Amino acid sequence: GQQLNQSPQSMFIQEGEDVSMNCTSSSIFNTWLWYKQDPGEGPVLLIALYKAGELTSNGRLTAQFGITRKDSFLNISASIPSDVGIYFCAGQEVSNYKLTFGKGTLLTVNP
Amino acid sequence: DAGITQSPRHKVTETGTPVTLRCHQTENHRYMYWYRQDPGHGLRLIHYSYGVKDTDKGEVSDGYSVSRSKTEDFLLTLESATSSQTSVYFCAISDSTGTGVSGANVLTFGAGSRLTVL
Repeated sequence: GQQLNQSPQSMFIQEGEDVSMNCTSSSIFNTWLWYKQDPGEGPVLLIALYKAGELTSNGRLTAQFGITRKDSFLNISASIPSDVGIYFCAGQEVSNYKLTFGKGTLLTVNP
Repeated sequence: DAGITQSPRHKVTETGTPVTLRCHQTENHRYMYWYRQDPGHGLRLIHYSYGVKDTDKGEVSDGYSVSRSKTEDFLLTLESATSSQTSVYFCAISDSTGTGVSGANVLTFGAGSRLTVL
């Protein structure tokens, strides 16, 4: 099935640093979603993007819907220890309501 | 978890035994999904439901069956569990397909069920 290429697979950073991760697809999406999964929990929605070029913020998180509609980016500024977790992107194609998920980015923040 | 309860949260079973995982929602959402999460594979769709008694296969449906007799319950059954089905299983719900002019198919996930097949 459709796969999203999410990178990097993992990141080890120091508290206070900024973080960037991205997802790319061979298909055009009409929606991009970013989820975070804390250890032992289910994924929780962080940001939803609905339009090409859209830039949306949620606190220290900023996500962008790429203008080609085939990619999306998530940035975390001034990371803190509670940012630790797995971040997933998910895309929805125009004609298919099922979401396709990336394989996740494991973020570790050293205090 | 926004009105989603998965049970059991943890289960250890032996190869060849049947296993049923339950997802219960109090949101009255139409769509329900079962995913499995494995290292290196992310979240993969097993089965989904678009209404009572309406279900369809996802990308990794072999060895699994589902049933939805009520809006609030979606059951995932492993008829004869195998070690390859050791995984963390997540149920998710949504109230829209997002294929209209606005909105999106935003999923809300349960806390997960960790299954170990020995």
